[in-house]
Amino acid sequence: GAGVSQSPSNKVTEKGKDVELRCDPISGHTALYWYRQSLGQGLEFLIYFQGNSAPDKSGLPSDRFSAERTGGSVSTLTIQRTQQEDSAVYLCASSHPSKNRGYNYGYTFGSGTRLTVV
Amino acid sequence: QQPVQSPQAVILREGEDAVINCSSSKALYSVHWYRQKHGEAPVFLMILLKGGEQKGHDKISASFNEKKQQSSLYLTASQLSYSGTYFCGTESGYGVIYNQGGKLIFGQGTELSVKP
Repeated sequence: GAGVSQSPSNKVTEKGKDVELRCDPISGHTALYWYRQSLGQGLEFLIYFQGNSAPDKSGLPSDRFSAERTGGSVSTLTIQRTQQEDSAVYLCASSHPSKNRGYNYGYTFGSGTRLTVV
Repeated sequence: QQPVQSPQAVILREGEDAVINCSSSKALYSVHWYRQKHGEAPVFLMILLKGGEQKGHDKISASFNEKKQQSSLYLTASQLSYSGTYFCGTESGYGVIYNQGGKLIFGQGTELSVKP
């Protein structure tokens, strides 16, 4: 698509339930990133995919968080047994690496999923 | 480690200039700058690579000093549309090793308000 698409845009869930957040990146973007932004705060890195593999999962806060990416495209972030501290906006971004010099071009962010755990 | 941005907030009148700084304790390979308006997603402004590049985007430009591990964003003759939170994102060389680009670690943000 023309941009990065995330769904749902809003999710209210009860504490202890599992949630799945979806990200559909820009076609052709091989790199995909998940970040979390709490109210008025910065962007906290969660996980990074290059193709279908995740070279860096260091930002996942606990083993309740997992993510996968299939077909080098859509990614799903799953949070099990949600807690109130999981409430935040979850942002997905995609980019593509340069052919040389080993860096990624600028990220295109989706509009995010606002997760509220009650 | 998260890069440190300064100032945390700045208020300008239209037409005034501002500088936002981003400093890291780690060696940097690239620095990105993004602007986020309230309730919206961050939007990419520019990327600076190791090598001391300076980039410009209309009246917004930036510099990168890899020896000092610092980058600065310069906004000249500010417009109302410049209001928002500015984030720097730093990448520390994963891509150099794996030739594929790595994750960005973002600063805490600088809130810029431009008043008429």
